[in-house]
Amino acid sequence: QSVLTQPPSVSGAPGQRVTISCTGSSSNIGAGYDVHWYQQLPGTVPKVLIYSNKNRPSGVPDRFSGSKSGTSASLAITGLQAEDEADYYCQSYDSSLTAWVFGGGTKLTVL
Amino acid sequence: QITLKESGPMLVKPTQTLTLTCTFSGFSLSTSGVGVGWIRQPPGKALEWLTLIYWNDDKRYSPSLKSRLTITKDTSKNQVVLTMTNMDPVDTATYYCVHRGGGSSTYYSPWGQGTLVTVSS
Repeated sequence: QSVLTQPPSVSGAPGQRVTISCTGSSSNIGAGYDVHWYQQLPGTVPKVLIYSNKNRPSGVPDRFSGSKSGTSASLAITGLQAEDEADYYCQSYDSSLTAWVFGGGTKLTVL
Repeated sequence: QITLKESGPMLVKPTQTLTLTCTFSGFSLSTSGVGVGWIRQPPGKALEWLTLIYWNDDKRYSPSLKSRLTITKDTSKNQVVLTMTNMDPVDTATYYCVHRGGGSSTYYSPWGQGTLVTVSS
């Protein structure tokens, strides 16, 4: 059971918009700790997609965006493409555990 | 360009101690704010944060694994070593070495290629 809760799967057709939620608590996201998002394409190493809630590293398309509110965060992907099919993970810090934590991951399927 | 590479055994027996080495380049672990950590991923499962060592030798551990983990650094060799005692089949996973930049918020980029460790007799 992950400290950060993500839906196991989401799907969308090419061109559509999808969102992936990351729900935490008052000891992590709700305490103001940043949320970061990682993309893991099939058979590859995870890479950071969004850092510090809403920032995109250079090279990440602006189709990807992040937001945070209260005890939750969201990753939005617009203009869905087949190459976006991957596992997505959120990550934050938990003050009760004094440890960094990941969500359980969300598998995005492009229909 | 920052790169990290994990090395160590691919197979360990139950109860044995696992030792993994991360050899990195493109940054110095003596630079303020910088850290190197370990994250693992069992086959088909989610990522799990294990440990992080900072430039000043401050060390953080996953509370559930703290008693079994040790992380050390050799700045002159650009290496970080992870030891995990009393290995069990549930510890079978790909172990990633990761870079923590010097900013105020901790996220991990880039990641090493990962090394699959199988625990089996």
